[in-house]
Amino acid sequence: AQSVTQPDIHITVSEGASLELRCNYSYGATPYLFWYVQSPGQGLQLLLKYFSGDTLVQGIKGFEAEFKRSQSSFNLRKPSVHWSDAAEYFCAVGEVDSNYQLIWGAGTKLIIKP
Amino acid sequence: DTEVTQTPKHLVMGMTNKKSLKCEQHMGHRAMYWYKQKAKKPPELMFVYSYEKLSINESVPSRFSPECPNSSLLNLHLHALQPEDSALYLCASSQVGTGEDDTEAFFGQGTRLTVV
Repeated sequence: AQSVTQPDIHITVSEGASLELRCNYSYGATPYLFWYVQSPGQGLQLLLKYFSGDTLVQGIKGFEAEFKRSQSSFNLRKPSVHWSDAAEYFCAVGEVDSNYQLIWGAGTKLIIKP
Repeated sequence: DTEVTQTPKHLVMGMTNKKSLKCEQHMGHRAMYWYKQKAKKPPELMFVYSYEKLSINESVPSRFSPECPNSSLLNLHLHALQPEDSALYLCASSQVGTGEDDTEAFFGQGTRLTVV
């Protein structure tokens, strides 16, 4: 069965420090992979996506993610976090067909220490 | 315009009330979605409309009734809800699998629903 695992429920990082959020997936075919961010009480915003090609993907707000097929991972990174990055981060796997659906990870809450 | 607009932002309703949530997009997307999100959980897919036709209903109780009157609008009609239906209801839209660059779901800000 297809699934997405985000092993960290929450992560605390000091402002200015680097960040890595983990995402592992189980999927039969080549997955379409996404990272979304959700600020408290808000909708979801797409940070970046991977479909094919270069396995290092650049996104908005200085985020990047690397697709590693051998490890079934799609970890999100940022070299230096800002207080405004505090939010919930969701990894998702998609399959493009006539009905576009996503399988979501449970989310990782990012807490920024001043 | 890359916005999905949801109204109202907040809604409090009694268990005997009838209310509707509205969603609008003007990106020419032909797939529209309703998600339900409980606190500290990922979104759960409820319904998918593709070309204004209901294509997926994830076994949602009949007290939730979706409607897609045209390609830009999506409604969710609510009737006889239960307190456990209190959640953030998110609308999203996307192209219908026409290619990699088009396959991105845009989400609205959600309607925070409280059933009392």
